[in-house]
Amino acid sequence: DTEVTQTPKHLVMGMTNKKSLKCEQHMGHRAMYWYKQKAKKPPELMFVYSYEKLSINESVPSRFSPECPNSSLLNLHLHALQPEDSALYLCASSQVTGPHEQYFGPGTRLTVT
Amino acid sequence: AQRVTQPEKLLSVFKGAPVELKCNYSYSGSPELFWYVQYSRQRLQLLLRHISRESIKGFTADLNKGETSFHLKKPFAQEEDSAMYYCALYSGGSNYKLTFGKGTLLTVNP
Repeated sequence: DTEVTQTPKHLVMGMTNKKSLKCEQHMGHRAMYWYKQKAKKPPELMFVYSYEKLSINESVPSRFSPECPNSSLLNLHLHALQPEDSALYLCASSQVTGPHEQYFGPGTRLTVT
Repeated sequence: AQRVTQPEKLLSVFKGAPVELKCNYSYSGSPELFWYVQYSRQRLQLLLRHISRESIKGFTADLNKGETSFHLKKPFAQEEDSAMYYCALYSGGSNYKLTFGKGTLLTVNP
C-alpha cells in the first residue's frame, strides 16, 4: 500500500463543534505531518511527529490538537475553530532516515461556519 | 535559514512548446530538492527528486549548486501538464521539514 488516506473528504462544522480528522499510512513511515493549505498557496506545516512523538509544533493555536496513536495513524482534533480556519488539511508521511520526500494524502476540505 | 524562490506565479505556454519552471534555493549545506505537482482536484504528488536524476512524464530537473537552482524543464508541453508546481527543499537534520516555494501555475494552451 503506497498511499496516504484521509477521512473525511469534506467536513462542515460550526464554531462550537468538536470534530476529528484522520490519516492513515501503511508504508512503514515513521514521520507524519499535518499541513494546512489555502487555495493556490503552498502547504503550511502545522505539526510533525517522528516515532509517534510530537517533534514540531509550528505555533499552531491550541484549538488544533494532534494525536499519533500508533505508527500508522495520525489524528487532528478540532475544537472551537474560527471561519479563517477553513482550508484543505493535508496529512503526509515520510521515512525518517531518508530519502526525505513526503507522500501526501488527498486532504480534508474543512469549512467552518 | 533556508528559502525556496519560484519567481513566476503564472506561466502560460502553447502545446508542443518547451517549458521551464524556475526554482532557486538558499541553503548553506547540501540540500535535497524535489518538485511536487498538484493537478486540479488531485493530491499533491512527488514529480521529481534531484537525487535520482530521473525523468518523469518527460520532465527533468538538474541541480546546479553554483547557481543554487533546480529548474524544471520539458521540451514539449502537453495540455495535461497544466497544474500547480511546487519546488521544495529538505535541509536535513532531525526536523524533517520541507520548505516549499510559493508555486507556479502552469497553463498549457491548445
